Amino acid sequence: GIQVEQSPPDLILQEGANSTLRCNFSDSVNNLQWFHQNPWGQLINLFYIPSGTKQNGRLSATTVATERYSLLYISSSQTTDSGVYFCAVWRAGGTSYGKLTFGQGTILTVHP
Amino acid sequence: DSGVTQTPKHLITATGQRVTLRCSPRSGDLSVYWYQQSLDQGLQFLIQYYNGEERAKGNILERFSAQQFPDLHSELNLSSLELGDSALYFCASSVPQTGDTQYFGPGTRLTVL
Repeated sequence: GIQVEQSPPDLILQEGANSTLRCNFSDSVNNLQWFHQNPWGQLINLFYIPSGTKQNGRLSATTVATERYSLLYISSSQTTDSGVYFCAVWRAGGTSYGKLTFGQGTILTVHP
Repeated sequence: DSGVTQTPKHLITATGQRVTLRCSPRSGDLSVYWYQQSLDQGLQFLIQYYNGEERAKGNILERFSAQQFPDLHSELNLSSLELGDSALYFCASSVPQTGDTQYFGPGTRLTVL
């Protein structure tokens, strides 16, 4: 099946710093989502971005589908940004019908 | 709030027991997905239902089963529970059968003692 790799695995920042999280995937995909899992365990949708660039406040994401990677940018980080960031992809066809495949996540810690 | 609800939030039970987790999708969503998040396996897809019918299966154990009812809510049944079944179980929903944004519920944290 498709492989999803996220880097870095851990990231520690001071409040106000910027960061870039990367997601590489091993095959072409039809859908890519970024999620933030907060310390209470809830998975929050950040972006649905199979290709192109999107922005939402201090967060933006870019997916280059032809090169099989996506980037999540966090600017002016805040302590509330702490948690785990997941990239998940979906590929049509075969037994993967309907299945989101998740990366292992990037654990972000933002210190005040 | 994603609009997806899951009950209960926490469940503590013993090995060998059976539990049922419940999920109500967002209004208008026909697809329901179940995922398991554990420390060693990460987030894994279990099963998908679309408008009452099973559409896709992932790494779901034979001891686990699910169904989607006519009102579109779904239940995940876990039986003969083992210590390794302790995990966070998420339900997600989306409008079409495939490919669209999946919205996740708050999860049910299952602890098997």
